[in-house]
Amino acid sequence: SQQGEEDPQALSIQEGENATMNCSYKTSINNLQWYRQNSGRGLVHLILIRSNEREKHSGRLRVTLDTSKKSSSLLITASRAADTASYFCATGTGWGKLQFGAGTQVVVTP
Amino acid sequence: NAGVTQTPKFQVLKTGQSMTLQCAQDMNHEYMSWYRQDPGMGLRLIHYSVGAGITDQGEVPNGYNVSRSTTEDFPLRLLSAAPSQTSVYFCASSYSRVAGGSSTDTQYFGPGTRLTVL
Repeated sequence: SQQGEEDPQALSIQEGENATMNCSYKTSINNLQWYRQNSGRGLVHLILIRSNEREKHSGRLRVTLDTSKKSSSLLITASRAADTASYFCATGTGWGKLQFGAGTQVVVTP
Repeated sequence: NAGVTQTPKFQVLKTGQSMTLQCAQDMNHEYMSWYRQDPGMGLRLIHYSVGAGITDQGEVPNGYNVSRSTTEDFPLRLLSAAPSQTSVYFCASSYSRVAGGSSTDTQYFGPGTRLTVL
């Protein structure tokens, strides 16, 4: 079974708008990560937040983590057409293994 | 650095055939993993390794074998391919530890192998 569940499954926005996607997980974690996958490509690491952190920023990305609710959100501000991709959350336990959610497919139209 | 490389990029097999998917990394990572990705789903862990000579099963190991004789290479073997193994396969690697702590699990992914079993 998958650890993470993402919401929404698909998101369509216009350039310049913000995109928000959520992830819920089931068990205790060491960290939570977000990855991007462009069509037909491998996954690229975007940002990691540790279990003792509540918020983290990286460029146009903002991640929050609420361990009491076992949930995380990823915000992409001022989206661009190049942000069109699938976004996955993944939880880690510190042994090089990740459990992934099913992903959110984001389409940004010019 | 080439990062994580995978060969082949595409493969078509007939039911019952065997093959090996190759994965190599040049970052001196101790941890390596194999995942499969099916339509509409995230990645599921097949097997992983925490170092040369050490492997273990992930979430969906049935039908797959692995071995790790060197730090660099982590091949995935399909002994008798089945249509249910039609998928995209990703290899990934990560550091075993980072400065000041244990592994962050941050994975570096290869480009994937698209496998079709007829």
